[in-house]
Amino acid sequence: GAVVSQHPSRVICKSGTSVKIECRSLDFQATTMFWYRQFPKQSLMLMATSNEGSKATYEQGVEKDKFLINHASLTLSTLTVTSAHPEDSSFYICSARESRLATGEQYFGPGTRLTVT
Amino acid sequence: AQSVTQPDIHITVSEGASLELRCNYSYGATPYLFWYVQSPGQGLQLLLKYFSGDTLVQGIKGFEAEFKRSQSSFNLRKPSVHWSDAAEYFCAVAPTGGGNKLTFGTGTQLKVEL
Repeated sequence: GAVVSQHPSRVICKSGTSVKIECRSLDFQATTMFWYRQFPKQSLMLMATSNEGSKATYEQGVEKDKFLINHASLTLSTLTVTSAHPEDSSFYICSARESRLATGEQYFGPGTRLTVT
Repeated sequence: AQSVTQPDIHITVSEGASLELRCNYSYGATPYLFWYVQSPGQGLQLLLKYFSGDTLVQGIKGFEAEFKRSQSSFNLRKPSVHWSDAAEYFCAVAPTGGGNKLTFGTGTQLKVEL
């Protein structure tokens, strides 16, 4: 149980285009999902917290107009990188917190490798 | 603000040897504590967690961790390392009460020599 999927696993796009990444909790409901960014050989940096049915909460320094987050259902959150540039190339990982658990445990997706050319 | 320190960036051990990865945290109270493992190009897998109770917790793949309040530590251990354990290991904390953000350490890269 507690499986989180991400799609796509890899994406290459041209500079100036937008890319959407999906994060799904497959066998549980997640009122809260998190989006992280990870640079090579570095730790995970939290970008935003996504709550079902409400606006996402962005971490300081993260451009909300560039990284659009939508959490339309209890099993799906999407991250759209708008007008992507090469510096947006990174590994993006989502996680989901199971609604019925009060302990903050998060389950992570396998990540999406974004390359902007 | 809470923080997590993993003092060792890289660790190399021989297969079959014991392993201990260090983790220290800074937080006003005892937080929830986690260890995750990440293989190259993959997401994170939860190895074990501590919320309360017994300070020695058992996880998957033969890992265990011990919470020491006096040292603000949550070190990860394994008695006998397998080559497949080579990966990046992250310690993380979350405030008690759930639903809150995880703060990750910088990670420890484990290399296993055959």
